Amino acid sequence: QKEVEQNSGPLSVPEGAIASLNCTYSDRGSQSFFWYRQYSGKSPELIMSIYSNGDKEDGRFTAQLNKASQYVSLLIRDSQPSDSATYLCAVERENNDMRFGAGTRLTVKP
Amino acid sequence: SQTIHQWPATLVQPVGSPLSLECTVEGTSNPNLYWYRQAAGRGLQLLFYSVGIGQISSEVPQNLSASRPQDRQFILSSKKLLLSDSGFYLCAWSGTNEGNTIYFGEGSWLTVV
Repeated sequence: QKEVEQNSGPLSVPEGAIASLNCTYSDRGSQSFFWYRQYSGKSPELIMSIYSNGDKEDGRFTAQLNKASQYVSLLIRDSQPSDSATYLCAVERENNDMRFGAGTRLTVKP
Repeated sequence: SQTIHQWPATLVQPVGSPLSLECTVEGTSNPNLYWYRQAAGRGLQLLFYSVGIGQISSEVPQNLSASRPQDRQFILSSKKLLLSDSGFYLCAWSGTNEGNTIYFGEGSWLTVV
C-alpha cells in the first residue's frame, strides 16, 4: 500500500462545476495535511493546509479531513479553466516526515 | 517574506558529466532544506534533507550527493550523470514557524543525453 494514494485521473469537469479531489493515507499517526497545485512544467505551490477533522474553506477551495477514515479531500467550487493542473496531496507523518501523493490531473473544460 | 531560488532552470548534460544545482533561501534562518526529484508523470521523490549546516540525510542511495555549506544554501551534485538522472529537481524549505509546511523553488529541468 502506498503511503499517500491519489487517483491519477485525468479528472475532467465543465467550467463552473465542483471538482472533487481525493487522497488516502496509510500512517494513522499523521497530523498535518496539505494540498499543492502544480501547473505543467512548474513547481508545486501550496493551496491550503488542514490539521483538524472537518472542513476548512479558503475562497473557492475547501479541504476536508477525516482522520478516522484516513481520508482528505479538496473541493474546488466554480471551477475555472485556470484551475487545470495536477493537484498533489501531502501528508506529514508522525515522525515529521512529509510524503506526497503522485497527484491527480484536473482538466476544466470551458 | 521568505523566498527560495534555485538554478539553473534548465540544463542538458551528457552522460558521465558532473552536475551542480544550487539553492538559496532568504528571509528565514535555520530552515530545513530538501531536494526532491520528479520524473515525468510521477510523484515527488525525496532525495536529501538537511536540518542544519553539514547535516545531510539521504533517502535513496544513488550517484547523487548533497551539501549544505551555509545555513541557507543547499547544493545537489553528481560526479558522473546517468541517463536515469533526468528529471525535474526541486529544492524546498520548511520552518517550524510555518507548521512544517514545505515551500518549493522554481525547479530545475535536467536532461541527460
